[in-house]
Amino acid sequence: QVQLVESGGGVVPPGGSQTLSCVASGFTFSHFGMNWVRQAPGKGLEWVAFIRHDGSDQYYADSVKGRVTISRDNSRNTVYLQMNSLRPDDTAMYYCAKVGGGYRIDAWGQGTPVTV
Amino acid sequence: QLVLSQSPSASASLGASVSLTCVLSNGHSRAAITWHQKQPDKGPRYIMRVNSDGTHNRGDGIPDRFSGSSSGAERYLTISSLHSEDEADYYCQSWDSGVVFGGGTKLTVL
Repeated sequence: QVQLVESGGGVVPPGGSQTLSCVASGFTFSHFGMNWVRQAPGKGLEWVAFIRHDGSDQYYADSVKGRVTISRDNSRNTVYLQMNSLRPDDTAMYYCAKVGGGYRIDAWGQGTPVTV
Repeated sequence: QLVLSQSPSASASLGASVSLTCVLSNGHSRAAITWHQKQPDKGPRYIMRVNSDGTHNRGDGIPDRFSGSSSGAERYLTISSLHSEDEADYYCQSWDSGVVFGGGTKLTVL
């Protein structure tokens, strides 16, 4: 079955950088777009970034645009989120999420925490 | 710009049924949405996709107590025979030049 396993979270000082990884299995990774979604303590789900199946295009939430980069390595079944200039309000659990048809999310990872 | 609106809270008794609603903003009444369950200290869980015609398809392992429907710009998630473990936050999601989430509904099982 679909498995998404995130890693790379931790404690980062304000202004610092962090790179998150998500390794996928159980489906043909190169056929599907991928997202990063976060949830700050006590808040709802917030979309962060999306990358197309072949990496040809990326979309970002306004709250992170210019500070984060989503990328993928289809040979490693891995999607990345590089985060720079981190702020305290970036503190959240970060989830990797696969899209199915029509850019709708149909699978989630368990998350990796980032504390700024 | 698509906005998804959800009531902040809902409650129902153990064994009863409850319907949660996601309202799509003007001009987006034909969009499909997905429903997701978020329990504390767990990753979100995909429940189902609901199309504008009311058809829906559940995710793997989702019991048929969970069903979806649609009316105009409203998309519904109905949970019947409520179990205690259904108590969670429920989010609807769609797409408009990026992923869009509703604000979530906190479901309390009494």
